[in-house]
Amino acid sequence: NAGVMQNPRHLVRRRGQEARLRCSPMKGHSHVYWYRQLPEEGLKFMVYLQKENIIDESGMPKERFSAEFPKEGPSILRIQQVVRGDSAAYFCASSPDIAGLYNEQFFGPGTRLTVL
Amino acid sequence: LAKTTQPISMDSYEGQEVNITCSHNNIATNDYITWYQQFPSQGPRFIIQGYKTKVTNEVASLFIPADRKSSTLSLPRVSLSDTAVYYCLVGGSGTYKYIFGTGTRLKVLA
Repeated sequence: NAGVMQNPRHLVRRRGQEARLRCSPMKGHSHVYWYRQLPEEGLKFMVYLQKENIIDESGMPKERFSAEFPKEGPSILRIQQVVRGDSAAYFCASSPDIAGLYNEQFFGPGTRLTVL
Repeated sequence: LAKTTQPISMDSYEGQEVNITCSHNNIATNDYITWYQQFPSQGPRFIIQGYKTKVTNEVASLFIPADRKSSTLSLPRVSLSDTAVYYCLVGGSGTYKYIFGTGTRLKVLA
């Protein structure tokens, strides 16, 4: 059973360009979470999605960032008009049911975004 | 959500037992304690979870005193490959918004 897949693993963008990060959850998992990690810091929650629904986007910046998890295909985290401060590692996690007691989140390898 | 406090870093030698303590004074009745491990350039990986007393699996043990205001992750006989950052998380059923602090950076020396 393949784990959580993220691509690309590394992404370089110039200021003002768009970044699209993809996450394929584990088989059978319908809950997806995105986190951002700055160097030497812990992961910060961004958004929680179920198929076709955004459940909680309280950790996501109001502007330039959006996320989706369509009925078919991977979850996408989209960053428009990237700035240098967006440079970070972005991790996706998935769970078969809402994470919490006994339903741990399984994390992918991350996408490292570098904005030049 | 309960705030957690861990040492920023620890050093150990191969073959030793390592104990990492996490303080969570405001833990709620329904909260569980979960530990994750993160290697450089990888996502966090679940290690162990517990509610009270002691939990043991093939990787680690978790000790939780009766008042549950702290917990200790115990790694027996560490090796160089255990060098990683260890995070203590506290939350209850349905806590999906995991809060990762800065974690404890464990360095295992030869």
